[in-house]
Amino acid sequence: EIVLTQSPATLSLSPGERATLSCRASQSVSSYLGWYQQKPGQAPRLLIYDASNRATGISARFSGSGSGTDFSLTISSLEPEDFAVYYCQQRYNWPYTFGQGTKLEIK
Amino acid sequence: EVQLVESGGGLVQTGGSLRLSCAASGFTFSTYGMNWVRQAPGKGLEWVSFISSGIGTVQYADSVKGRFTISRDNAKNSLYLQMNSLRAEDTAVYYCVRETGYIDHWGQGTLVTVSS
Repeated sequence: EIVLTQSPATLSLSPGERATLSCRASQSVSSYLGWYQQKPGQAPRLLIYDASNRATGISARFSGSGSGTDFSLTISSLEPEDFAVYYCQQRYNWPYTFGQGTKLEIK
Repeated sequence: EVQLVESGGGLVQTGGSLRLSCAASGFTFSTYGMNWVRQAPGKGLEWVSFISSGIGTVQYADSVKGRFTISRDNAKNSLYLQMNSLRAEDTAVYYCVRETGYIDHWGQGTLVTVSS
């Protein structure tokens, strides 16, 4: 099973700042990595697929990069609605796995 | 509009059984792989089970293998999860999800609580 490790566990920033979240895989997943956003009481929402492609309707503030074992999600200028929990997920092989999440909180 | 509506959750005793159902609409159900993903209270996401579009392939997380069975009825646009020998650690919100490698649509989730 591929283990995804996200860092940091919690990130405290202010609106308008730039956020960078990391996800490291225990083995190469090529570019088969996605990012989700989850707000309290809601199901997650797909933001990025295949490492760097924005899902339908996702703001250009969100961008993804990386390949192999190291990936990042960048939010260029934080809006109030961006404060949430973010998960990475690999689809390189079964079982598909998620990272443990990064909580992005308002400073 | 794609809709996934789960049902069947509830409170069950340790060792008991539950059957979750998911009613799908707004897309050609028979052409998509479908999955169950769960989230324990205050915790992260865990992929539970996958079934291919043609019912040819099923997969299970090690944590549920031998206890849970996924199935689908393409004529009824429905997905199921039979859960047996339930344990406290199975307590979670269970999401029915449509997936093409990534999850592009989620149900609202159904809560399963396993208690002694």
